[in-house]
Order: sequence, then C-alpha cells, then structure tokens
Amino acid sequence: NAGVTQTPKFQVLKTGQSMTLQCAQDMNHEYMSWYRQDPGMGLRLIHYSVGAGITDQGEVPNGYNVSRSTTEDFPLRLLSAAPSQTSVYFCASSYAGRGYEQYFGPGTRLTVT
Amino acid sequence: SQQGEEDPQALSIQEGENATMNCSYKTSINNLQWYRQNSGRGLVHLILIRSNEREKHSGRLRVTLDTSKKSSSLLITASRAADTASYFCATDRRGSTLGRLYFGRGTQLTVWP
Repeated sequence: NAGVTQTPKFQVLKTGQSMTLQCAQDMNHEYMSWYRQDPGMGLRLIHYSVGAGITDQGEVPNGYNVSRSTTEDFPLRLLSAAPSQTSVYFCASSYAGRGYEQYFGPGTRLTVT
Repeated sequence: SQQGEEDPQALSIQEGENATMNCSYKTSINNLQWYRQNSGRGLVHLILIRSNEREKHSGRLRVTLDTSKKSSSLLITASRAADTASYFCATDRRGSTLGRLYFGRGTQLTVWP
C-alpha cells in the first residue's frame, strides 16, 4: 500500500491564481480530511469528508473547496490564492475500525506571493 | 477550535532521560491520540487511549488519561536523539462528527546526544 499520497510537494503561486492540491489513499478509508499547519498554530481542519459524495467544513474553510467523487481521492481547490494561504497542507485518512487514528500524507508546502 | 493544549511548548533533554509531555482538553472525549511529527514530514500516529482506559503502553511510550481532570500525559522513557520531533495530542470529542479530531499546538522535544 502506498498509504496517503499528496501532490505536489512544493508549489509557488501568485496572488489570485487557482490550483488543486491532490490527495489519494489506497486503504479504503471512509474518512478523509485536509489540514493546514502554520508555525505555532498546530493543525487546523479545513474540510473533511465522511464518505464519497459527502463533505463538510472544518474550522478554516474560507477560500477552499473540496469534492469527494470516489473513496480514494479528496482534492483541495484554492479558488483565488492569497498570501494568507501560505502554509503546509496535510491530507489524512482514517476509518472507524481503529478508532479513527489518522494516516497523514507527506504534505504540500505552498507559498503565495 | 483546537481542543488539546500541550504542555510544555518545548522540552530539551539529554539522551537517556525521560521526557514527559502533557495534554489538557475541555470537553468529554471518546478517545485521545498522540502523534509525532519529524521536521518536514507528516504526522505519524503513536498511540490511542480510550476514555475508559487509564494507562497504555507501547514500547518506550506510556500514556495516561485522567478524564476527571481532562488531561493526558505521554512519557517517553530512555530518550534517544532520534526521538527529537514535535508531539501532538488529538481528541475525538464526544458528540462530534465521527472521525473528526481536534489537535493541540504540540510540544517540540529536542533530545541531545
């Protein structure tokens, strides 16, 4: 199993540009989530999904969209990048069978200039 | 909003010493989890303790949970330089969406050889 994969690893955007961060998992987990990590802030939940076709907002959803058309994939779209979205983004997946312990991807480091 | 608060924010010890990190939280939980993050990497799950458990061991890790005080501690015995990392607690809050975890800001542990 590859686990949770994220692409790209690094990205630089100009203000106003849009892009999609990719996340995929091959463990058949029903729950997937996106976090952003900023210095001194820990992890903050952006969006999450409890299954294909079902998504919901976390604590910092503004400026981001998600969709979940398959169990495996959970892309995060930045609609119009802003410098405040400069961060490290992590995707994670989990399932009920192990108390929802989360498996994290390696992260995407995004810089918006 | 973040649920767990780790204490201390930073901890610096010598190899061979024990490291203790604490986590406090505000609401009732189903379980509490500890994660480790090496610099530049994603988080890795270490241990999960359920609300009806008081202590759990895994190798050199010992986790305790006191639900009356809404606190948990992570003890790493006989620390090694390779234990240098950030450690996060995360709570599965009772009544919250299944699978959603609330992370603290983390403790940065440095183990000197």
